[in-house]
Amino acid sequence: EVQLVESGGGLVKPGGSLRLSCAASGFTFSVYSMNWVRQAPGKGLEWVSSISSSSNYIYYADSLKGRFTISRDNAKNSLFLQMNSLTADDTAVYYCATELRSYPGYWGQGTLVTVSS
Amino acid sequence: DIQVTQSPSSLSASVGDRVTITCRASQAIRDDLGWFQQRSGKAPKRLIYAASSLQSGVPSRFSGSGSGTEFTLTISSLQPEDFATYYCLQHDNYPWTFGQGTKVEI
Repeated sequence: EVQLVESGGGLVKPGGSLRLSCAASGFTFSVYSMNWVRQAPGKGLEWVSSISSSSNYIYYADSLKGRFTISRDNAKNSLFLQMNSLTADDTAVYYCATELRSYPGYWGQGTLVTVSS
Repeated sequence: DIQVTQSPSSLSASVGDRVTITCRASQAIRDDLGWFQQRSGKAPKRLIYAASSLQSGVPSRFSGSGSGTEFTLTISSLQPEDFATYYCLQHDNYPWTFGQGTKVEI
């Protein structure tokens, strides 16, 4: 069974940083691209970032303006998102998702990030 | 960037109804589109990938069609558990873009 468990969310002050983690199991993590998607309260889904299986290809949403960094550790079946210079607009549930273009197509349950003073 | 316009933004339907949701891309994206269901307070779940391929474990009443710029998600006979919000996602080009969502209500 595919499982994705996000962690690292919480309350952070504007201008602060946070590192999200996603622990993967139930599939061969190292051969698939991975993604982060976020959802602000009451809003729709927003793609944040993607990373290829060997970290050779990395993409970000334009709106992030270089503040976020995606990475992965295939030896530990883990995906990460380093978030810096956070603003209130970054308040959202952050979802980790597997490859979405083909197999497997699964999502984690999400972790809430709240940016507030 | 590729824009994705999803319609309608909401719809009212009854159990047993046939429901159709449409996504239009601002440029041709081949069949690089997926459909996702999100029940209230839950994580999204993929229903369809590559425009028309059914995700394993998803009921056959869900189907997807289209290619190029126009895509459709159809629920052939709406069930109580299908009341949710549905999103399309284009992944032909980065940045990926989601449709605005369609809330299916009673």
